[in-house]
Amino acid sequence: AQSVAQPEDQVNVAEGNPLTVKCTYSVSGNPYLFWYVQYPNRGLQFLLKYITGDNLVKGSYGFEAEFNKSQTSFHLKKPSALVSDSALYFCAVRDMDNYGQNFVFGPGTRLSVLP
Amino acid sequence: DGGITQSPKYLFRKEGQNVTLSCEQNLNHDAMYWYRQDPGQGLRLIYYSQIVNDFQKGDIAEGYSVSREKKESFPLTVTSAQKNPTAFYLCASSVGASYNEQFFGPGTRLTVL
Repeated sequence: AQSVAQPEDQVNVAEGNPLTVKCTYSVSGNPYLFWYVQYPNRGLQFLLKYITGDNLVKGSYGFEAEFNKSQTSFHLKKPSALVSDSALYFCAVRDMDNYGQNFVFGPGTRLSVLP
Repeated sequence: DGGITQSPKYLFRKEGQNVTLSCEQNLNHDAMYWYRQDPGQGLRLIYYSQIVNDFQKGDIAEGYSVSREKKESFPLTVTSAQKNPTAFYLCASSVGASYNEQFFGPGTRLTVL
C-alpha cells in the first residue's frame, strides 16, 4: 500500500532563511511525487512534481524539491523564505506501476515564516 | 483554484438531512475526485471518477454518494448515514494520465447543527 509521511507538524523559520519541509513515502512500484500548498479556507495549489529524470525539481514561487530514491524522500526547499510562504504544505504520492492507484496525501506540515 | 468551482462555500445542515455539494470544472478533465479534510488528517479520498457514468469508492465512501452524468460535473451527496459529516470538502480534477497533478476547487465547509 502507498503511504506518505510528513514527520513535522510545524516548521518555523525566519524570513530570509532557507526552509525545508520533509516528506518520505512508501510505494511498491516507482513513485510520482507532488507538493501542494494550502492557504486558509482555500483549495490546494500545485507547486511541483517529480515524474522521472533530474532528481532536483523546480516549481512555482521559487520552491524546489529533491527526490532521493535510496532514502525514499522528497523534501521541499526554498533558499530564502518569505512571510507569504506561511501556509499548510502537503506531499502526495502516486504509484506509477499500479494503474488505478490514486493519490495518497500526507497529513500536512504547517510552515510559519517569522518576520 | 483553476477552473473548478464548488458551491456553496459554507453549508449548514440539520442532523438527518441529506445535502448535495456541487463541483463543476471547465478544464475538460476526464478524472474528478472528492476529498474530505479534517484538521491534522490531511486529505482522505471519498469517491473518484475516471470517466463519465463511472465512479469508484475511495477510502471513506460510507455515507456518501456521487453521480457523473456529465464530464464537467461531479456532485457529492452527504447522506444522513454519514455519522460525522462536519468537515471541509474538496473537489479536484486531473487529466487522465496518472503523472498529472490535480487541480482543486476552493472547497465547501459543511457544518452539521
